[in-house]
Amino acid sequence: DAKTTQPPSMDCAEGRAANLPCNHSTISGNEYVYWYRQIHSQGPQYIIHGLKNNETNEMASLIITEDRKSSTLILPHATLRDTAVYYCIVRVFSSASKIIFGSGTRLSIRP
Amino acid sequence: SAVISQKPSRDICQRGTSLTIQCQVDSQVTMMFWYRQQPGQSLTLIATANQGSEATYESGFVIDKFPISRPNLTFSTLTVSNMSPEDSSIYLCSVADENYGYTFGSGTRLTVV
Repeated sequence: DAKTTQPPSMDCAEGRAANLPCNHSTISGNEYVYWYRQIHSQGPQYIIHGLKNNETNEMASLIITEDRKSSTLILPHATLRDTAVYYCIVRVFSSASKIIFGSGTRLSIRP
Repeated sequence: SAVISQKPSRDICQRGTSLTIQCQVDSQVTMMFWYRQQPGQSLTLIATANQGSEATYESGFVIDKFPISRPNLTFSTLTVSNMSPEDSSIYLCSVADENYGYTFGSGTRLTVV
């Protein structure tokens, strides 16, 4: 079973920040938090990952709570192209570590 | 990150037949993973394919239905055998990339009629 819990759907106004929460209360010390998104049945796309520090890249920011039991993905200026299903995943940083997907959050961006 | 070429991108097949999906990676990778995504659902892991050994199947998936080959470190195939309409799904392959977690192919959209 997936080790994360996400709201099934959210919406956000275009141009505003989209904040997507994820609970991972059973995360282990060596597990990273990864975020992916899937746009209209394409292959999932990597967004960002982190262990315990906050991370930022050109796509998004990842905020991980100090106890690591939850995290938030932030899309700073959402556009219509950010409409997708967003998956929060925890996994060990290893090429042999399989990914188990939860149900994700369907994010809708409204004009 | 690795680049994956997956073929075919889509197919419509008759029930009772089989379809083989190919996944080619532009670099050598140890592990390859096959997923199924049924309509409106999340991705479900079918099996893990390690070069030189038999694939490891997840609960609910069996080798007779989904045989997998992994002849070298850049290539794998998944066959969907004796298809029924319930097999209509998107099938995706992926590889583990130490920097990005996983990289996914673009998927094969299978419709069984």
